[in-house]
Formats: sequence, structure tokens, C-alpha cells
Amino acid sequence: AQSVTQLDSHVSVSEGTPVLLRCNYSSSYSPSLFWYVQHPNKGLQLLLKYTSAATLVKGINGFEAEFKKSETSFHLTKPSAHMSDAAEYFCASRGSTLGRLYFGRGTQLTVWP
Amino acid sequence: GAGVSQSPSNKVTEKGKDVELRCDPISGHTALYWYRQSLGQGLEFLIYFQGNSAPDKSGLPSDRFSAERTGGSVSTLTIQRTQQEDSAVYLCATASRREGDTQYFGPGTRLTVL
Repeated sequence: AQSVTQLDSHVSVSEGTPVLLRCNYSSSYSPSLFWYVQHPNKGLQLLLKYTSAATLVKGINGFEAEFKKSETSFHLTKPSAHMSDAAEYFCASRGSTLGRLYFGRGTQLTVWP
Repeated sequence: GAGVSQSPSNKVTEKGKDVELRCDPISGHTALYWYRQSLGQGLEFLIYFQGNSAPDKSGLPSDRFSAERTGGSVSTLTIQRTQQEDSAVYLCATASRREGDTQYFGPGTRLTVL
């Protein structure tokens, strides 16, 4: 069985400071992993994905994530937060090609000026 | 190109009524998924269509929920005899192997059951 745990339901940072959103996965094999962002009243937008190539994945808007098999983690980072990064972020895993996604409960990111 | 579109964007209905939610996929995407997003339950998988294969209905919460995909394109999610707990945002996503299996999401339909 697969599951995804996002360790923080809320994260607050000041503009210009680093962002860390934590995600752990549970799977009997190496899944594909994704980070999506959702702005208010919008659909989900893909930030980045890991599919067993490079373990450090770069995404849009300066975000990146590192796949660590030994820690079963896929944390999302950004060196410097911007006000426009304020949104809800979802980590997800997928087992089989074109299979359904298993989502974490989401992390609400607040960015203070 | 055009993304995934969903209609209506908002739907308010009375308890006990039936509703239909529509999803128009990205052209050529063979896989189509329905998810539900609610405050208490987060993002839940409902159903998945892939080409001509039998759909994976394992996420449908009750027999009041059904979905079909006509001609491998447009999909309709039907909820019969709606209940207040059906109030949620219903999200559709589509994917294709040509695009690396990434699921692209529509803007969702917000359903409110009074």
C-alpha cells in the first residue's frame, strides 16, 4: 500500500527566507513522486516530479526537491520565498505508470512581508 | 494548447437531487481521473479511466456515484440523491504517456448541497 505524509499542515516564513515543506512516502517500491501547488480557488498545478532519474529535481518558480530513499523523503525547498508563493502545497505518489495519485493532506504556506 | 476544462464551475443543489459534472480532457490524453477535495478528507481518488480498459472504480464512496467516459474523451460524473456530505470540489485530471504520465488538473467544480 502507498501513502504520503506531509509533516506540517502550516508553514510560515518571511519573504526572502528559505522554504522547507516536508513530505515522507511509504511504498514497497520506489514510486514516482510529485509536488503540486494550489492557489485559492484554482486547480492543482504541477511544480515538479521525480521518476527515478536524478534524485535532485528542479521545478518551476525556483522550487526543487530531493528524493532520499534511505529516509523515504521528498522534501520541497526554495532558497528565497516570494509573496506569490503563498498557497497550499500537496505531495503525491504514484505507483504504476498512469496510475492514480496518493496525496498528502497538504501544507498551507504563508509568506509574511 | 487548451487545458482540462470542467463545467459547471459552481453547482448549488438541494439534498436529494441528482447532479452531473463534466470534464473535457486535453486532446489525446488517454487517462482520465476524478478526485474529490473536501475540508475534512483532503484529496480523495474517485475513479480512473484508461483507454478502453474497464475503469478503476475503487474510490467511489457509494453506489450513488457513477461516471462514464464517452468515446474516450469527455467524462461525466453523476451523483444521485445528493447528500450534504457530498459538498466538495470535484477535480478532473488527464494524462498521457506521450507527456510523461503527468496528471494535468482542471479548475474543478464546487458542489454545494443545501
